[in-house]
Amino acid sequence: KAGVTQTPRYLIKTRGQQVTLSCSPISGHRSVSWYQQTPGQGLQFLFEYFSETQRNKGNFPGRFSGRQFSNSRSEMNVSTLELGDSALYLCASSFTGDYGYTFGSGTRLTVV
Amino acid sequence: DQQVKQNSPSLSVQEGRISILNCDYTNSMFDYFLWYKKYPAEGPTFLISISSIKDKNEDGRFTVFLNKSAKHLSLHIVPSQPGDSAVYFCAASAGGSQGNLIFGKGTKLSVKP
Repeated sequence: KAGVTQTPRYLIKTRGQQVTLSCSPISGHRSVSWYQQTPGQGLQFLFEYFSETQRNKGNFPGRFSGRQFSNSRSEMNVSTLELGDSALYLCASSFTGDYGYTFGSGTRLTVV
Repeated sequence: DQQVKQNSPSLSVQEGRISILNCDYTNSMFDYFLWYKKYPAEGPTFLISISSIKDKNEDGRFTVFLNKSAKHLSLHIVPSQPGDSAVYFCAASAGGSQGNLIFGKGTKLSVKP
């Protein structure tokens, strides 16, 4: 079966712009979580969505937002990009939302 | 403040020997712990997990040990193989949901032939 698909794989944006990243979970999975990975901070939890509702949120500024659609696909948006937002953004999905999360390969965002 | 710490950024081991990766945590509310393996340009892959009600869990060459009193867990890989070379992340969750994992910063394991 298809895994977690994240698009695009690579993205280059300019400071001040905004960006939208997409995540298609494994078919049937209802929970989607987003993480940011940077060399300095490692993997940090951004937010989790379950059945279109944000269930948990990490410690990130309001410039980071997300949503989940009725088909469980999720998007995350970063507004007013800063150089420090350059990172690998990972999405993970699960059927139950309690365990068994599978990660996608990520979107590499570079802010210049 | 880091709640999950992997104090060794790297570890080098000879093929066939044991690899021991360590992880410490500070939050006593954590009740589920996981190890992930990550290759460059790929997402983390789940390896093995352990609930706080256990002190050991085994899966093939991988064993995770949990010492709750010391707030310490370790991953043992025996025997180590060159294909095990990757970055290993320790992660923890509280309240039963793994949707919001707290990750350590990872240990890069190199297994030399």
